[in-house]
Formats: sequence, structure tokens, C-alpha cells
Amino acid sequence: QVQLKESGPGLVQPSQTLSLTCTVSGFSLTSNSVSWVRQPPGKGLEWMGAIWSGGSTDYNSALKSRLSISRDTSKSQVFLKMNSLQTEDTAIYFCTRAELGYFDYWGQGVMVTVSS
Amino acid sequence: DIQMTQSPASLSASLGETVSIECLASEDIYNNLAWYQQKPGKSPQLLIYYASSLQDGVPSRFSGSGSGTQYSLKINSLESEDAATYFCLQDSEYPYTFGAGTKLELK
Repeated sequence: QVQLKESGPGLVQPSQTLSLTCTVSGFSLTSNSVSWVRQPPGKGLEWMGAIWSGGSTDYNSALKSRLSISRDTSKSQVFLKMNSLQTEDTAIYFCTRAELGYFDYWGQGVMVTVSS
Repeated sequence: DIQMTQSPASLSASLGETVSIECLASEDIYNNLAWYQQKPGKSPQLLIYYASSLQDGVPSRFSGSGSGTQYSLKINSLESEDAATYFCLQDSEYPYTFGAGTKLELK
């Protein structure tokens, strides 16, 4: 059974760094890619970036200078780090598995609020 | 980046009706289009991939069509559980981009 679960702090101060973890089960990170997608409250979805089954990464150019995605295959975990957070980064952050491109399984999401 | 223009932004329909939602891509996405349903407080659920392939477990009243730059999601015989927001996703090239969403309300 494929599952993804995000974890991380619910509150981050402006200008600080966000660190999130996506723990997966039911599949291998060496077989499927994992993406991070975020959704500001009441708004649409934004693809942030992905880590491929081979370990390489792709990022949304709008976030590339602030974003880093990595993984620990032995722990079945994918990590997101984004620095210089601002209030507009307040959102629900999802990790999602890609199956030949499209996203077939999603985590429940974690709400991150950027506020002092 | 490929822009996805989704319409309408909101829709109100009655039980049993049929509705359609459209997504227009700014360039050819070669059927690399997926549709998702999202209910409040939940993560998106995959309905359709490759423009017209029905995800396992999704009711057959959902169908997708289109090619090139124009795609649509059709929901036949609306049921109360279909009240949700629907998004399209182009997975043709990076960065992947989503439509802005269509909020479907049942009368």
C-alpha cells in the first residue's frame, strides 16, 4: 500500500529556513520520483520541485534559488529545504509520487505558517 | 512555462446533471494532462491521466478527452459526493503547472 506522509514545523519565522520530511512506504525511491507541491490557503496548486528515481533534481525556476530537495533512500525519506521564507510561503505542503509523469499518490499535507 | 487556463472557475449543477470542465494549454502538451478532485481539507485525488485514462477505482461517470492544447473533464449523472474542486495538471514538461481550479457546487 503506497503511502506518503509529510512532517515538519507548523510555524516558521520570516527569513528563516523551512525543513520538511516526506516519509514514504509501499514503493522505493529508486523506482519512482517524488515531488513537492504547495497550496496557499484557498488557492491553487504550485509544483515546487522533484527528485528523480536516479537522485537528480528539478526545481521550479521561481523557487530554484531558495529550494533544495534531497533524499535518504535507506530511510525512505525525501527532504525539502527552502530558505528566506516570507509570509507568501504560507501554504499546505504536499509530497506526491509520480508515476510516469502524473502524480498518483499524495500525502495528507502539512500546513506551514510563516509568521513572527 | 506552460500556462493552463481552466474554466469555469465555479459551477453549480443539480444531482443527475452532466457537467464539463475545460483546460486550455498555452502550447501542445501531447495528452500529458491529468485531472484531480480535491475536497476541503484533503489532498488531491487522481481521476484521469494521459487525458483520457481512468484511474483505478474512479467511477466511470468521470471521463476525459482532448488533444493538443484543449482538454476537458466530463462528469455524468452528478452525485452529491462529486461536490469538490477540480484541477488539471500538465505533466508534459517542467515546470509542471496546474489549472487554477473549478469549484463544483451541487444545488
